[in-house]
Amino acid sequence: GQQLNQSPQSMFIQEGEDVSMNCTSSSIFNTWLWYKQDPGEGPVLLIALYKAGELTSNGRLTAQFGITRKDSFLNISASIPSDVGIYFCAGQGRSGNKLVFGAGTILRVKS
Amino acid sequence: SAVISQKPSRDICQRGTSLTIQCQVDSQVTMMFWYRQQPGQSLTLIATANQGSEATYESGFVIDKFPISRPNLTFSTLTVSNMSPEDSSIYLCSVEAYGSDYNEQFFGPGTRLTVL
Repeated sequence: GQQLNQSPQSMFIQEGEDVSMNCTSSSIFNTWLWYKQDPGEGPVLLIALYKAGELTSNGRLTAQFGITRKDSFLNISASIPSDVGIYFCAGQGRSGNKLVFGAGTILRVKS
Repeated sequence: SAVISQKPSRDICQRGTSLTIQCQVDSQVTMMFWYRQQPGQSLTLIATANQGSEATYESGFVIDKFPISRPNLTFSTLTVSNMSPEDSSIYLCSVEAYGSDYNEQFFGPGTRLTVL
């Protein structure tokens, strides 16, 4: 089945630093989504991407839909303590509405 | 975005028993899904809850173990049957908004299940 490779697995950064994480797949996706999950909560949608090559920002977050449709990255600029959490990428392919999730990136921020 | 609530938020259950989890949305939605998130893991789709018909299950999940109901466009239940400790997970309901041009899925807060 479809799988997403998300990296890095975890990051421990200094407050104020920029962060970058990415997802790759051997399959083509029509939609890429980035979610953040806080402890004890459900994932919250951060950014949705619908077109190959699309670059979208949401505050300090920027994400891009790779031109090949097989990858996406998420950047967080000037990290703050509340950025701590687990970030998941998810892809949606041609076959329907099913989401395939990456393994997640655990982000820790040192203040 | 839709507001999604789940009940219970958490439970501790004995082996061999069953638990029914409820998902309520504040607006009509076309698609409802149930996911499982095992400890320290990512999310795995269990099934798509179809309104008025049987749910569509993913490989590795069966109706006898995870019966699902969806009586209307705002409500669904997932039952975890004959539980074992391996069923200890977070169970998440998600929805795709009705009439949206794009396929954005939103998640409920999850139900944290511990099976002893």
